[in-house]
Amino acid sequence: EAGVTQFPSHSVIEKGQTVTLRCDPISGHDNLYWYRRVMGKEIKFLLHFVKESKQDESGMPNNRFLAERTGGTYSTLKVQPAELEDSGVYFCASSRLAGAYNEQFFGPGTRLTVL
Amino acid sequence: KNQVEQSPQSLIILEGKNCTLQCNYTVSPFSNLRWYKQDTGRGPVSLTIMTFSENTKSNGRYTATLDADTKQSSLHITASQLSDSASYICVVSIRGNNRLAFGKGNQVVVIP
Repeated sequence: EAGVTQFPSHSVIEKGQTVTLRCDPISGHDNLYWYRRVMGKEIKFLLHFVKESKQDESGMPNNRFLAERTGGTYSTLKVQPAELEDSGVYFCASSRLAGAYNEQFFGPGTRLTVL
Repeated sequence: KNQVEQSPQSLIILEGKNCTLQCNYTVSPFSNLRWYKQDTGRGPVSLTIMTFSENTKSNGRYTATLDADTKQSSLHITASQLSDSASYICVVSIRGNNRLAFGKGNQVVVIP
């Protein structure tokens, strides 16, 4: 079974530019999560999809971030326009269930650097 | 202030030796506690998950303990191997919304 994949693995952009990150969850996993780790800090929750619907987007930092999951398969996270403080590693995770004991499987992350 | 604190931040151990990583949390209400291993350039991988009523859980050479009264957990690595070099992240699931609260991780380096 293929794991969670993310693309690209690295992205370097200039402040003000737009970047789109992609996440392909494990096949059959309805739940998809985005997280971010800023250097020196802990991983923090951004949002949670159940199929194509946003279940919880309370962790999104501001309206420069837009996440979509059209069709309930892969998801994209767009940052527009990017700011310096957006630099970090963006992780995607998926799970079959959304209960308290569900295991989330993480992708390798996309390292975003905003110059 | 982070709700999940881990110590030590980093440590270096000799191959074959044991080590213990600590996690203190203030997350409430508590659902369960997980330990993840994150290799460089990879995403976190689950090692153990413990509920309120579980005191210990093992996964090979990894043994996690939980004291829900004092809100402390530990991860013990036995007979360390070079492949154990990684960041070990303590994660607490919040009851109700099932959100995960992450610690910053313990960076472990095993040297021959």
